[in-house]
Amino acid sequence: GNSVTQMEGPVTLSEEAFLTINCTYTATGYPSLFWYVQYPGEGLQLLLKATKADDKGSNKGFEATYRKETTSFHLEKGSVQVSDSAVYFCALSRGAGGTSYGKLTFGQGTILTVHP
Amino acid sequence: DTGVSQNPRHKITKRGQNVTFRCDPISEHNRLYWYRQTLGQGPEFLTYFQNEAQLEKSRLLSDRFSAERPKGSFSTLEIQRTEQGDSAMYLCASSLPRLAGSSTDTQYFGPGTRLTVL
Repeated sequence: GNSVTQMEGPVTLSEEAFLTINCTYTATGYPSLFWYVQYPGEGLQLLLKATKADDKGSNKGFEATYRKETTSFHLEKGSVQVSDSAVYFCALSRGAGGTSYGKLTFGQGTILTVHP
Repeated sequence: DTGVSQNPRHKITKRGQNVTFRCDPISEHNRLYWYRQTLGQGPEFLTYFQNEAQLEKSRLLSDRFSAERPKGSFSTLEIQRTEQGDSAMYLCASSLPRLAGSSTDTQYFGPGTRLTVL
């Protein structure tokens, strides 16, 4: 079945440091890939997405590239801020043609803490 | 547009009791999803509605769980004879795909209902 594996956390960084959160997936067909973020006390929000191989999703300085050859979708940011402290979830949904379109399969989440 | 709302936000119940949660999606969103999230884990899919039709149910959804979306708008999730293992955050999400059959529609999540079974 489909699965998503994220690097284990928590991740603690100083402000302006470079961030990488690794994500790899296993899926049949051609999934779409997502990063969701959950700020303290808030619901899940879509951060970025990519729908086909070599696509790059980007938002708020975060980027992730859909790498089909390595089945990866690593999240990066060049300079993190204290306000980026949150839990980050990598997720996939099955491609068109399947009956599970839209259903999300999530990784376990990575807690990011950024110190001033 | 006020986003996806869920009620109640917190529910504490005793083992064996029945509980019901409500989700109000963003108006005109025809897809509605329920997920369950336990501490330290990512959300797990429970069930999916397209309008009023329940099109998929996870194996996680035992016979004690039932979900409805009677008029294709709000949805309810009922758990009968609750067990301590049912303690979790129950999340609802809705979406409106631009294309039929699309898997890339953005799901908007509600704040969740936290269930504690004593």
